[in-house]
Amino acid sequence: DAGVTQSPTHLIKTRGQQVTLRCSPKSGHDTVSWYQQALGQGPQFIFQYYEEEERQRGNFPDRFSGHQFPNYSSELNVNALLLGDSALYLCASSLEFSDTQYFGPGTRLTVL
Amino acid sequence: QQQVKQSPQSLIVQKGGISIINCAYENTAFDYFPWYQQFPGKGPALLIAIRPDVSEKKEGRFTISFNKSAKQFSLHIMDSQPGDSATYFCAATGNNAGNMLTFGGGTRLMVKP
Repeated sequence: DAGVTQSPTHLIKTRGQQVTLRCSPKSGHDTVSWYQQALGQGPQFIFQYYEEEERQRGNFPDRFSGHQFPNYSSELNVNALLLGDSALYLCASSLEFSDTQYFGPGTRLTVL
Repeated sequence: QQQVKQSPQSLIVQKGGISIINCAYENTAFDYFPWYQQFPGKGPALLIAIRPDVSEKKEGRFTISFNKSAKQFSLHIMDSQPGDSATYFCAATGNNAGNMLTFGGGTRLMVKP
């Protein structure tokens, strides 16, 4: 039973560029949430997707957008990258209305 | 506004000792409180979770104690081992939060052999 997978593992971008991160949920899960974890801090909720729609959003600007596909996989897009966007981006999957979320290994984004 | 406060920020325990990490929350609508363990370069792994209808939950060497009236909960790691050295995060969520997890700031635990 495959767990949550994310790609790529690491990514280096420069300011102003755009980036796309990908996530495949745990088998059988239909809900995907994205979190940003700055170095030395707890994860911060970005948004959650269910049935291909954004269901809830945290306190992040519109530069952060996402998408969920019919197979429940998801993408996180960040436009106009800032130095402060450097972080570990985590994807978590769950069943609809379930509180239990399982995290992937994350994508380490470095913005230079 | 930080809704989940975690302490201490770092903790050093001798092998075989008890590690205790505390969290306090503000939102009384929270009704699910998980703990996650994170190793460097890895994603958080679910360790144990509790709901407010019980005051304690134990799984192996890990125990959550929950005090609803004080809006506090804690993780106890019994017989701590060097392999337990990691960062631990408490979190909270509820249906009115859309199952969005709100995390504490984390506790870096080091277990000395």
